[in-house]
Amino acid sequence: QKEVEQDPGPLSVPEGAIVSLNCTYSNSAFQYFMWYRQYSRKGPELLMYTYSSGNKEDGRFTAQVDKSSKYISLFIRDSQPSDSATYLCAMRTSGTYKYIFGTGTRLKVLA
Amino acid sequence: DAGVTQSPTHLIKTRGQQVTLRCSPKSGHDTVSWYQQALGQGPQFIFQYYEEEERQRGNFPDRFSGHQFPNYSSELNVNALLLGDSALYLCASSTRGVQETQYFGPGTRLLVL
Repeated sequence: QKEVEQDPGPLSVPEGAIVSLNCTYSNSAFQYFMWYRQYSRKGPELLMYTYSSGNKEDGRFTAQVDKSSKYISLFIRDSQPSDSATYLCAMRTSGTYKYIFGTGTRLKVLA
Repeated sequence: DAGVTQSPTHLIKTRGQQVTLRCSPKSGHDTVSWYQQALGQGPQFIFQYYEEEERQRGNFPDRFSGHQFPNYSSELNVNALLLGDSALYLCASSTRGVQETQYFGPGTRLLVL
């Protein structure tokens, strides 16, 4: 079993839809959680990070962490075709510098 | 403000050869991490350099080595290349006290034939 699981997709949605992207994890010691967006043949771009549990909002993006369920989510409101990319979750414990990434979910927003 | 830069952008090598990849961190950053991203997979942590020393290492063999220079730039060296080393190699920079804000470069795409 991988430490971090992420549905590879692709997930196709119409423009303007609310998108929900999710990761589950097995290590209860994970404390730092990040979401990256990666366009084809580019490096990952940091979108959001949260520490421990709770929600964080930034513009059209909301990140949620549910440590009791070992589940994190990224919501994208009013999705745009330019949001079409692969979304990666990453997490680490407090005692390490090593981030563990999910495999990424491919998102397609259709105009 | 220049972000993280990496060179070269693409590289083709043959099995058994050695390769050196280079990374310049974002201005103000002093910590460099290297990741390997195979096609269709998430990045995998190779190691992190801080104060010119390897601070932590992932599950990669000794064929993978690195270096950090006084100006915080870094190199990744891979010896005795295998076909399975073909991947996108990503460099990420951060500051020691703010590990969460890790910024990635565009990567170097390595193909081993």
